Amino acid sequence: QMHLVQSGAEVKKPGSSVKVSCKASGGSFRVYAVNWVRQAPGQGLEWMGRIIPVFGTTNYAQELQGRVTITADESTGTVYMDLGSLRSEDTAVYYCAKGPASDWYFDLWGRGTLVSVSS
Amino acid sequence: QSMLTQPPSVSAAPGQTVSISCSGNTSNIANNYVSWYQHLPGTTPKLLIYDTHQRPSGIPDRFSGSKSGTSATLTITGLQTGDEADYYCGTWDNSLSAGLFGGGTKLTVL
Repeated sequence: QMHLVQSGAEVKKPGSSVKVSCKASGGSFRVYAVNWVRQAPGQGLEWMGRIIPVFGTTNYAQELQGRVTITADESTGTVYMDLGSLRSEDTAVYYCAKGPASDWYFDLWGRGTLVSVSS
Repeated sequence: QSMLTQPPSVSAAPGQTVSISCSGNTSNIANNYVSWYQHLPGTTPKLLIYDTHQRPSGIPDRFSGSKSGTSATLTITGLQTGDEADYYCGTWDNSLSAGLFGGGTKLTVL
């Protein structure tokens, strides 16, 4: 059975960048969409973007365009989310979530990675 | 502010039925499938409904989804105290080429 294993918590300074990883255990990402979703303290879920390795495509939330990059390393079965120009408002739990390549829903979630941005 | 509008909170007694609405537009809900998620504090979100009506394996038939025009609805029957959680709708937006979540609805089982 597939699991999504995320990297550990991070503490970052404003203006810096963070790279969070999501590794597929027990399966392959290639034919799925891997999405990133975040939840800031006291806020709702926010979709950040996705990558579909089999199509070689990415999509990003408009509000994060230019600051977020999602990449996939198929050799290691790992997807990365890179967020730059960090601000305090980027403090959140970041989840990777898998779904079908041709649809938009998330049937398997990672456990989340807390990213704290503070000076 | 999310482009999908949900009521901030709903409440009902155990055993009763509650419906949670999710309002969008022709770029998103009207022309795409809708999914619903249950999120309890300290846990990962759980998929309840996908493709507007479908339940994943293991989700009881107390949970159902529907859609009419630019709005979708999650209905929970036979409410249990364990259903207390935040519920989110989600769908794709064709104009934005991006995914959207609703703002979330906190369900309280009185």
